[in-house]
Amino acid sequence: GIQVEQSPPDLILQEGANSTLRCNFSDSVNNLQWFHQNPWGQLINLFYIPSGTKQNGRLSATTVATERYSLLYISSSQTTDSGVYFCAVNTGGFKTIFGAGTRLFVKA
Amino acid sequence: GAVVSQHPSWVICKSGTSVKIECRSLDFQATTMFWYRQFPKQSLMLMATSNEGSKATYEQGVEKDKFLINHASLTLSTLTVTSAHPEDSSFYICSARGLMNTGELFFGEGSRLTVL
Repeated sequence: GIQVEQSPPDLILQEGANSTLRCNFSDSVNNLQWFHQNPWGQLINLFYIPSGTKQNGRLSATTVATERYSLLYISSSQTTDSGVYFCAVNTGGFKTIFGAGTRLFVKA
Repeated sequence: GAVVSQHPSWVICKSGTSVKIECRSLDFQATTMFWYRQFPKQSLMLMATSNEGSKATYEQGVEKDKFLINHASLTLSTLTVTSAHPEDSSFYICSARGLMNTGELFFGEGSRLTVL
């Protein structure tokens, strides 16, 4: 099956810093999503981005489907950005496969 | 977007009892819902796909007699953990695809099960 790899696994930032999270996938995908899991476990939809670039406030994402990777950019990080960021892909069937996540901690 | 609601958020039960978790799509109809399980500091693992009006499809290694799934209506799927044991303690989270059926998933709040 498809493999989804996220990097880095852990990241510590000083508040105000920028960061880039990466998601590599081993096969063609029909769709790709980025989620933020907050400390209470809730998964928040950040981007639905099978290809191209999207921006939402301080966050933006780019997926280059032909090269099988996606990037999530966080600018001017805030303590509330802390949590786990997941990349999840779907290859056309019912299953959506999650990467292992990037655990982010933003220090005040 | 689409709203998916899960209940209860927290449940503590004694070993040997059964626990039911509900997953509802509040503003759309979901013919298919998905149940995931997450252990501490790990990723989400798909347990089963819940299909309205038919049997659920379980992933390899998931005991269908332990984790009973019922999808009796277009807005409700339930997961029942039968004869729960401490090793069943986990975070269970459901999801459904939204109105546009693009494949975008929306998740419930999750249910944290602790079996004593």
